[in-house]
Amino acid sequence: DAGVIQSPRHEVTEMGQEVTLRCKPISGHDYLFWYRQTMMRGLELLIYFNNNVPIDDSGMPEDRFSAKMPNASFSTLKIQPSEPRDSAVYFCASSPPWTGGVEQYFGPGTRLTVT
Amino acid sequence: SQQGEEDPQALSIQEGENATMNCSYKTSINNLQWYRQNSGRGLVHLILIRSNEREKHSGRLRVTLDTSKKSSSLLITASRAADTASYFCATSTNSGSARQLTFGSGTQLTVLP
Repeated sequence: DAGVIQSPRHEVTEMGQEVTLRCKPISGHDYLFWYRQTMMRGLELLIYFNNNVPIDDSGMPEDRFSAKMPNASFSTLKIQPSEPRDSAVYFCASSPPWTGGVEQYFGPGTRLTVT
Repeated sequence: SQQGEEDPQALSIQEGENATMNCSYKTSINNLQWYRQNSGRGLVHLILIRSNEREKHSGRLRVTLDTSKKSSSLLITASRAADTASYFCATSTNSGSARQLTFGSGTQLTVLP
């Protein structure tokens, strides 16, 4: 059974460019989370969805960040325009309904480098 | 500062020895989880302990929770080289959304063959 799938695994872009990160959650999971991990700040929750609806986006750093979940099997995190301080590993995680979103399964992450 | 803080930040042991990692947190919690992260990979859920539980076992893992001290420990018995990874505690609190996990900064465990 495939786990959470993220693409791309690595992204290098120049400051000012738009970046789109993609995530396919585990089939049957109804919660989807986007996290960012840096050495300085550790793992931070950016936004999460339940049944494709954004529930809490209070962790999104600023208006340059946006996330969508058009259907149960796909989500995107977009940064426009990107800045060097956005460099981090971005993780997507999903969670099955029988855990109420508490037990989360993480994807392999996308390592973003903004130069 | 983060809700969960692991201690120690780094731990190096010989294969076969036991490894103990601690996590302290600040506010009341619904539950606490431990995750493992291998280098360059995503986090893997290990075990969840609820606030009304004191101890839980899963294979070679033993987790304890002391809500009066706001602390938890993860014990890995008979460690193996494959246990080398970073270990994070994550708390789910009573305020806000129970789905919001707050992760600690992690303990880097190295098991030497």
